[in-house]
Amino acid sequence: GEDVEQSLFLSVREGDSSVINCTYTDSSSTYLYWYKQEPGAGLQLLTYIFSNMDMKQDQRLTVLLNKKDKHLSLRIADTQTGDSAIYFCAESTGGFKTIFGAGTRLFVKA
Amino acid sequence: NAGVTQTPKFQVLKTGQSMTLQCAQDMNHNSMYWYRQDPGMGLRLIYYSASEGTTDKGEVPNGYNVSRLNKREFSLRLESAAPSQTSVYFCASSEEGHKTANYGYTFGSGTRLTVV
Repeated sequence: GEDVEQSLFLSVREGDSSVINCTYTDSSSTYLYWYKQEPGAGLQLLTYIFSNMDMKQDQRLTVLLNKKDKHLSLRIADTQTGDSAIYFCAESTGGFKTIFGAGTRLFVKA
Repeated sequence: NAGVTQTPKFQVLKTGQSMTLQCAQDMNHNSMYWYRQDPGMGLRLIYYSASEGTTDKGEVPNGYNVSRLNKREFSLRLESAAPSQTSVYFCASSEEGHKTANYGYTFGSGTRLTVV
């Protein structure tokens, strides 16, 4: 069945770039997403990429999609302590089915 | 800028008790969802409503019921709570319809439920 996998933890120093990786199994995925969850809060949509795109950039965020390898990454430039959170990768084939990964906890050290 | 509002934020139930989690959105979205979040397991879909008047089961519907009261409101009911239902519950909404674009969900802030 469909699955989305992410590493559980990532630790970076403030000012460095963070790269969070994700792999998915459903080759028919139409949209892929990155969500951010801060402590005690719901998930917040950061960005999404359509499956016919290779890259999407939005200010400090860069999303790279490798469809051949079913690999999605989120790069955060100039990582700040406020970026400390859990980041979820998700995929959708359209309609009402979205599969979420277990989340990557990002620690930013000052 | 309310978005998706969930109530209550916290709840403790005894095994066998019932309760209803409330969710309302003010973005005129067609679709609404209930997810549960458990440590290390990501989010799992309980039920969803594609539009007013329709509801469908998700991945983990057992032990739950839902009502799409109108376009704004989508409630989740636990008829007889069990400790396995201890979790954080999130309501979400989105614009998409069947086979149309899904530009992502707007989530509420969650209900933290403990069943003892």
